[in-house]
Amino acid sequence: KQEVTQIPAALSVPEGENLVLNCSFTDSAIYNLQWFRQDPGKGLTSLLLIQSSQREQTSGRLNASLDKSSGRSTLYIAASQPGDSATYLCAVEYGNKLVFGAGTILRVKS
Amino acid sequence: SAVISQKPSRDICQRGTSLTIQCQVDSQVTMMFWYRQQPGQSLTLIATANQGSEATYESGFVIDKFPISRPNLTFSTLTVSNMSPEDSSIYLCSVGRSSGYTFGSGTRLTVV
Repeated sequence: KQEVTQIPAALSVPEGENLVLNCSFTDSAIYNLQWFRQDPGKGLTSLLLIQSSQREQTSGRLNASLDKSSGRSTLYIAASQPGDSATYLCAVEYGNKLVFGAGTILRVKS
Repeated sequence: SAVISQKPSRDICQRGTSLTIQCQVDSQVTMMFWYRQQPGQSLTLIATANQGSEATYESGFVIDKFPISRPNLTFSTLTVSNMSPEDSSIYLCSVGRSSGYTFGSGTRLTVV
C-alpha cells in the first residue's frame, strides 16, 4: 500500500528560525513529489515540485530534497516568518494519482 | 500552470439534498481529479474524470453518491448526492501537468 507520512504533525517556532519538515513514503516507484501549502479553509498552493530524477529544488527561502532510495523528502524553510504559518502537505505522484500525507501544521510566532 | 475556477466556494445544505460543484480550467486538459478533505484530515482522491468516458472511482467512492460529468476538456462537475452530515468536507478539483498539479480553491460544504 502506498502511504505517505509527515513528521512532525505540528510545529511552533519563533520568527527567524530555520526549520525542516519531513516526508516519507513507502513505495519508491514515484513519478514526482510535490510540496503544497494550505491556509485554513482554502485550497492548495504549490510550493515545489521535485521530479523523480532530481534530488532537490529551490524557490526563494524554500528548499526541498528528495531521496528516492530511502523514501524521504525534506522541506527546508529558511528565516521563517509569521506569514509562513499554514499547513504544509507532501504529495507523492504514482502514475496519475497523488497520495497525500496528513500534513504539518506550522505556526511561526512573531 | 493551469488556472482553475471552482464554485461555489462554500455552501450549507440540508441533509437529503444534492449539491453540484463546478470546475473550469483555463486550458484543455485530459484528466481532471476530484478530492475530498474531511475536517482535520488530508486529501483523499474521489475519482479521475476523463472527457468522453466514465469517471474512474477510488475504493470507497461510488458513482451513485458522487456522479461526475466531463462534457469537454476544460470543465467538470462533481455532485454530492443525498447528503448527510458525514459529507461535510472541503471538495477540491485538480489538474496535472509536467509542471505539477494545480488545485481549485475548494468548496467548503456543511450539511445540516
